[in-house]
Amino acid sequence: KQEVTQIPAALSVPEGENLVLNCSFTDSAIYNLQWFRQDPGKGLTSLLLIQSSQREQTSGRLNASLDKSSGRSTLYIAASQPGDSATYLCAAPTRQLTFGSGTQLTVLP
Amino acid sequence: DVKVTQSSRYLVKRTGEKVFLECVQDMDHENMFWYRQDPGLGLRLIYFSYDVKMKEKGDIPEGYSVSREKKERFSLILESASTNQTSMYLCASSLQELFGYTFGSGTRLTVV
Repeated sequence: KQEVTQIPAALSVPEGENLVLNCSFTDSAIYNLQWFRQDPGKGLTSLLLIQSSQREQTSGRLNASLDKSSGRSTLYIAASQPGDSATYLCAAPTRQLTFGSGTQLTVLP
Repeated sequence: DVKVTQSSRYLVKRTGEKVFLECVQDMDHENMFWYRQDPGLGLRLIYFSYDVKMKEKGDIPEGYSVSREKKERFSLILESASTNQTSMYLCASSLQELFGYTFGSGTRLTVV
């Protein structure tokens, strides 16, 4: 059964810093890897979807990479802003979508 | 963009009540899912469906049932609500796993 781990569990940085969130998974037979953002009390918003044949995807200040052979993905956030404060979740579907426990990010003004 | 709509943002129900949570998607997706999310436990899959009238149990199906009579609608049913079912419930849909998942905005259910 797929297991997904996210490190760190929480992260607090000053505004303007570049940062990296890590995601690892045990079963490399994934269709894709998806990064989500969740604000308190809200649903999940999809940020980036990396197909299994791709190595990275970019959207604005966000860049996600995927290395299936090592079972890792990273989400890079450039020039962080207070509005980036949220919980970030990675998910790796095999037959079902398996989530990591998330990284709670706080960007301090 | 695909939209997944959950009918209620907040619900308060009494113990023993039968509760219906509704989810509708507007992009003809084959697959639909119900998750619950609890602090410290993350997201856990309750039930999913790959087609109309088809359902499969997820990791925590006890105390729940589902209905999918139409492709766009997937309902989660709490047959007899209990306080340990107080949680955030999230619905999701996907065309195929390859194309990723879209989530609704969630229903915060409180059972008193």
